[in-house]
Amino acid sequence: AQSVTQLDSHVSVSEGTPVLLRCNYSSSYSPSLFWYVQHPNKGLQLLLKYTSAATLVKGINGFEAEFKKSETSFHLTKPSAHMSDAAEYFCVVSAGNFNKFYFGSGTKLNVKP
Amino acid sequence: KAGVTQTPRYLIKTRGQQVTLSCSPISGHRSVSWYQQTPGQGLQFLFEYFSETQRNKGNFPGRFSGRQFSNSRSEMNVSTLELGDSALYLCASREGKAGSYEQYFGPGTRLTVT
Repeated sequence: AQSVTQLDSHVSVSEGTPVLLRCNYSSSYSPSLFWYVQHPNKGLQLLLKYTSAATLVKGINGFEAEFKKSETSFHLTKPSAHMSDAAEYFCVVSAGNFNKFYFGSGTKLNVKP
Repeated sequence: KAGVTQTPRYLIKTRGQQVTLSCSPISGHRSVSWYQQTPGQGLQFLFEYFSETQRNKGNFPGRFSGRQFSNSRSEMNVSTLELGDSALYLCASREGKAGSYEQYFGPGTRLTVT
């Protein structure tokens, strides 16, 4: 079975400080993992993906994530937060029959000036 | 390439009515998935279509149905609307072939049931 747990429902950081959004997954197969971002009243935008190549994945807007199989984690980081990063972030695992997507419950990132 | 488009963007319906939402995938993408997003339940998978066939289905009642056309465009229908069907409905497309896993989402259709 596949599942995703996002460990924090809300994260608040100050502009210019690092961002860490945590994600643990469970998968019976070799998973593909993704982070998506959703700004208010918008669809989801793909930030980055892991598909069994390099374990450190770089995405758009300065975000990156590291796949750690031993810890079953895929945490999202950014060295310096920007006001425009305020949004909701979803961790997703894809595995199994026809690569069905399993979404985490989301983490809302607030960036303070 | 143009992104995933969804029409209409906003919709207001009355309980008991039915509604049809439309999704046009990215050109060349053969898989279309539908999701329901609500504040209480988060993102929930409805179904996925590939080459006009439903190949994955979530845990929604039969009032929720969909179809896909030969040009990969998809429609989702909800009959006998309930207040709880008020949500953002998101469509996502992907190539659907082996090795292409990521989905690309449309802006969504905001459905309000009164």
